[in-house]
Amino acid sequence: NAGVTQTPKFQVLKTGQSMTLQCAQDMNHEYMSWYRQDPGMGLRLIHYSVGAGITDQGEVPNGYNVSRSTTEDFPLRLLSAAPSQTSVYFCASSNSRSSYNEQFFGPGTRLTVL
Amino acid sequence: KQEVTQIPAALSVPEGENLVLNCSFTDSAIYNLQWFRQDPGKGLTSLLLIQSSQREQTSGRLNASLDKSSGRSTLYIAASQPGDSATYLCAVKSSGDKLTFGTGTRLAVRP
Repeated sequence: NAGVTQTPKFQVLKTGQSMTLQCAQDMNHEYMSWYRQDPGMGLRLIHYSVGAGITDQGEVPNGYNVSRSTTEDFPLRLLSAAPSQTSVYFCASSNSRSSYNEQFFGPGTRLTVL
Repeated sequence: KQEVTQIPAALSVPEGENLVLNCSFTDSAIYNLQWFRQDPGKGLTSLLLIQSSQREQTSGRLNASLDKSSGRSTLYIAASQPGDSATYLCAVKSSGDKLTFGTGTRLAVRP
């Protein structure tokens, strides 16, 4: 199993540009989520999905869109990048049907918006 | 709203020392608590997960305890090594599958 994979690893954008951060998992997990990590603020939930076709907002959803057309993929779209979106983005997944319900994280995407 | 606090924010110890990292949370209605390790510039690696019905979990030199009623968890690291240097994060699952994270304890183990 590759686990949770994210692409790209690094990205530099100019203000106003759009892009999609990719996330995929091969563990057949229903639950997937996106976090951003900023110094001194910990990880904050952006959007999450409890299964294909179902998404919901987390703590800091503004400026981001998600969709979940398959169980495996959960892309995060930045519609019009702003310097405040400079951060490290992590995707995670877990098996909601398991009582153990451990969350697995991808390696992260480091985004800089100029 | 669940809030998670980790104290201290940073810790430096000599190699071989036993140490305890602390995590506290405000809402005791949790499903589980998970401890992660994060190396600089890397992702999160899950270390231990404690279900709300459990008191502790052990993996090698690591032992995590949970006192749900007081809103506390501790991560005990025995015989620390320089390779243990990293940031340690705790996260609680309170509703659905969403995690609330603390801001972490940055650990440095000096040779």
